[in-house]
Amino acid sequence: GAVVSQHPSRVICKSGTSVKIECRSLDFQATTMFWYRQFPKKSLMLMATSNEGSKATYEQGVEKDKFLINHASLTLSTLTVTSAHPEDSSFYICSARDLATSGVTGELFFGEGSRLTVL
Amino acid sequence: AQTVTQSQPEMSVQEAETVTLSCTYDTSESNYYLFWYKQPPSRQMILVIRQEAYKQQNATENRFSVNFQKAAKSFSLKISDSQLGDTAMYFCAFTFVDMRFGAGTRLTVKP
Repeated sequence: GAVVSQHPSRVICKSGTSVKIECRSLDFQATTMFWYRQFPKKSLMLMATSNEGSKATYEQGVEKDKFLINHASLTLSTLTVTSAHPEDSSFYICSARDLATSGVTGELFFGEGSRLTVL
Repeated sequence: AQTVTQSQPEMSVQEAETVTLSCTYDTSESNYYLFWYKQPPSRQMILVIRQEAYKQQNATENRFSVNFQKAAKSFSLKISDSQLGDTAMYFCAFTFVDMRFGAGTRLTVKP
C-alpha cells in the first residue's frame, strides 16, 4: 500500500516556541492531506484539510493562526504549531489521499504520528 | 455534517471467540465509504476493512467481516477466532470528502 511518512515522531519544545511537523507521501501524489489531533485514549479529531497549492480549510474551533498548514507540493504538507503552549501537547496524525486510487477506494493513508510535548 | 457513533467504549473477548463491535453513522449522502481502523499501542492507524456504500454485499477480510445496513446506517465489525494480537483500539470511520471517526472501542482479547 501507499506510504505516508511523518516527521518528527516525537518532539519536545519550550513554551512559546514554534514546531514544524512534516507529512510526506513517499510513493504517490496527494492533492489532499488531512491533519488530525488525538488526545490520550480519545478519537482522531479532524483539524484541517490541506489542498496542494491552496489555503487549508480548518474545522470549526481550530485556530488557523496557531496551526499553520502549508501544502506546497503534491508530496509534502507541513503543520506548524506557532507559539506552542502546554495545552498544545498532543498526538498529531496526518493522512493523505492517493490521487490515482481514492476515487475507487476512498481510502486515506496515515502517517505514523507525531507526539508533541510542550514544556 | 456526518457523524459517527461507537457506543461501546470497551469490550473484551476470550481468545478464539467471536466479538462484534457496533457503529452507527448519520449522513444525507448516498455514495460514501465506511472503514474500520485498528490502532495498536504504537498508534499507527491500520486499515482493517472497507465497505463501499453502493455495494450491498458485506465486505470480508479473512477473520474480519462487516454487517452493513445502509437504511439503518449501521456498520458493525465482526472479528472471528479472536487473537491476542487483535487487542487494540478500533475506530469506525466515514468518508465522503474527508474522514470522520467514531469515539473508538478498546478491545481486549484475553488468553
